[in-house]
Amino acid sequence: DTEVTQTPKHLVMGMTNKKSLKCEQHMGHRAMYWYKQKAKKPPELMFVYSYEKLSINESVPSRFSPECPNSSLLNLHLHALQPEDSALYLCASSQATKLILRQDGFYEQYFGPGTRLTVT
Amino acid sequence: AQKVTQAQTEISVVEKEDVTLDCVYETRDTTYYLFWYKQPPSGELVFLIRRNSFDEQNEISGRYSWNFQKSTSSFNFTITASQVVDSAVYFCALSEAGAMYSGGGADGLTFGKGTHLIIQP
Repeated sequence: DTEVTQTPKHLVMGMTNKKSLKCEQHMGHRAMYWYKQKAKKPPELMFVYSYEKLSINESVPSRFSPECPNSSLLNLHLHALQPEDSALYLCASSQATKLILRQDGFYEQYFGPGTRLTVT
Repeated sequence: AQKVTQAQTEISVVEKEDVTLDCVYETRDTTYYLFWYKQPPSGELVFLIRRNSFDEQNEISGRYSWNFQKSTSSFNFTITASQVVDSAVYFCALSEAGAMYSGGGADGLTFGKGTHLIIQP
């Protein structure tokens, strides 16, 4: 089973609203990711969690706040967003590697269906 | 800095034709990982293949095949006897081992801009 679920599928919010996106996986993966994808563009990395700790923040504005309550769940809290934040938000998960040798490898990421966010 | 280039923005072929999607990458790391993903109109990214930099074997999976050439920094994807269901945006992606060391054992993917493949019946 390589399923990553995301809720909600669609979200419309005003600039003063607070909302949250949710992501869940039950594959035992210890790395989880948030990506943002604008129309006709590739996904862009926002955050990486490894073993429930935030390991990468790609200089994302503070109006986006990630949270990893446990190894299966990943949230993205939204507050005071701008219309240009409208996009498809993708969650992904993968095995994390405790690299000892460079040949230990890197694991593919499995993506959820995304949440299509519209900010009005 | 790492970079992935997919020069073909859009390709349109008639069903049953073979088609090759090009991917050229740049990296300073000696150990890196390459991926192909498919994104159909529904939006979900579907993992197709992973290739490690120290494994240059080409791979075939049904109608799909991948040609990895370190000498030209390319990782091309060929679909044989294309079908309408192959219509999608295909992304090539890269990650570096060095970034993983500093990322706690995980790192995000750097994607190319994608190639929109249209298979006409």
